[in-house]
Amino acid sequence: AAGVIQSPRHLIKEKRETATLKCYPIPRHDTVYWYQQGPGQDPQFLISFYEKMQSDKGSIPDRFSAQQFSDYHSELNMSSLELGDSALYFCASSLEGTGSYEQYFGPGTRLTVT
Amino acid sequence: GEDVEQSLFLSVREGDSSVINCTYTDSSSTYLYWYKQEPGAGLQLLTYIFSNMDMKQDQRLTVLLNKKDKHLSLRIADTQTGDSAIYFCAERRWDYGGSQGNLIFGKGTKLSVKP
Repeated sequence: AAGVIQSPRHLIKEKRETATLKCYPIPRHDTVYWYQQGPGQDPQFLISFYEKMQSDKGSIPDRFSAQQFSDYHSELNMSSLELGDSALYFCASSLEGTGSYEQYFGPGTRLTVT
Repeated sequence: GEDVEQSLFLSVREGDSSVINCTYTDSSSTYLYWYKQEPGAGLQLLTYIFSNMDMKQDQRLTVLLNKKDKHLSLRIADTQTGDSAIYFCAERRWDYGGSQGNLIFGKGTKLSVKP
């Protein structure tokens, strides 16, 4: 079965640079979530989209933005990177419109800021 | 509050049962999830339960829910070395205002299985 795809899997950036993370949800899933997991931490919710509209925001810094495109893939844009942004970034997708609340996670993008 | 709490470590012998515990705080109806994370890997959805259920069983996994105490447990029968991982309990944030429900995670329980 198709899973959530994230790219790139690893990314190394320097402070003050920008980064773009991509997420391709499971086909026909209508909801995408972004989470950030710091080293040894639990995942923290950043932002979500339902049917290409932003549906909720969590602890996402103003330096970050995200959008979901017409083909349902989503991108997380991160600017003015800081050392503290080094983390594993997960995308998850679900099919909320039918009342199915299973959230499936992608393999994550490991971002290292030097 | 939105705290999900778990014990941080559990060590068992291969073949024994493992029981990982979690408490949640949301007083409304919600969904509760168990995820498994191996080192450097993503989060694998193991099972989930709606908060009006008492129990759910799926092969070696049994989820028990005590609604009164807001206590959730995951029992893994016949634990194998391949079960060594971090197990996260998560609660769906339920917003009747129309936004979708992100998950609130516990800190994770590191399960070590000794041969």
